[in-house]
Amino acid sequence: AQKITQTQPGMFVQEKEAVTLDCTYDTSDPSYGLFWYKQPSSGEMIFLIYQGSYDQQNATEGRYSLNFQKARKSANLVISASQLGDSAMYFCAMPLTGTASKLTFGTGTRLQVTL
Amino acid sequence: SQTIHQWPATLVQPVGSPLSLECTVEGTSNPNLYWYRQAAGRGLQLLFYSVGIGQISSEVPQNLSASRPQDRQFILSSKKLLLSDSGFYLCAWSVGGGGEEGQFFGPGTRLTVL
Repeated sequence: AQKITQTQPGMFVQEKEAVTLDCTYDTSDPSYGLFWYKQPSSGEMIFLIYQGSYDQQNATEGRYSLNFQKARKSANLVISASQLGDSAMYFCAMPLTGTASKLTFGTGTRLQVTL
Repeated sequence: SQTIHQWPATLVQPVGSPLSLECTVEGTSNPNLYWYRQAAGRGLQLLFYSVGIGQISSEVPQNLSASRPQDRQFILSSKKLLLSDSGFYLCAWSVGGGGEEGQFFGPGTRLTVL
């Protein structure tokens, strides 16, 4: 069964600096995808970025990029030029095998951006 | 564009009372629908998902139930709430079959059972 591990319960970063949030996964599926979501204090889950296992390049979306290392089974999220509004919980997720696109989530990392 | 609504936004209920949370999606047809629960400071736990009207799959045994009376309506219910039912409930939708579109979440309902 798929499993997502986020080992950093909390991270601090200074404004305008870059930060990397770790995510490792375990799956036996030959084809899979990885998602990152942001959850601000309001509670809503905001989709940030997606990486497909067969994508040739690391995914990028504005200030977000994925450092995807397939051999290491890691899909770390890199946020460049951090802003105060980036303070939130960040979740890594992976679809479970089967229909309906069920996702399994990691336990999340709380990012705090400081001045 | 697609939007997803949940209500109520917050709810405080006594133990043993019934529950009904509603989720509706606009701007898409035949979506997959999901109910998640998030305990304070924790990750998301998938409770139910549905691939069509009247089709509900339960992920974990509990005293909650779900129904999908219409294509874009998903309801989470309980006949008698427990203290352990407190949490943040999120509804989500995805296109059928999934893929890189992922899931899109509603604003959530914060439930406190006293």
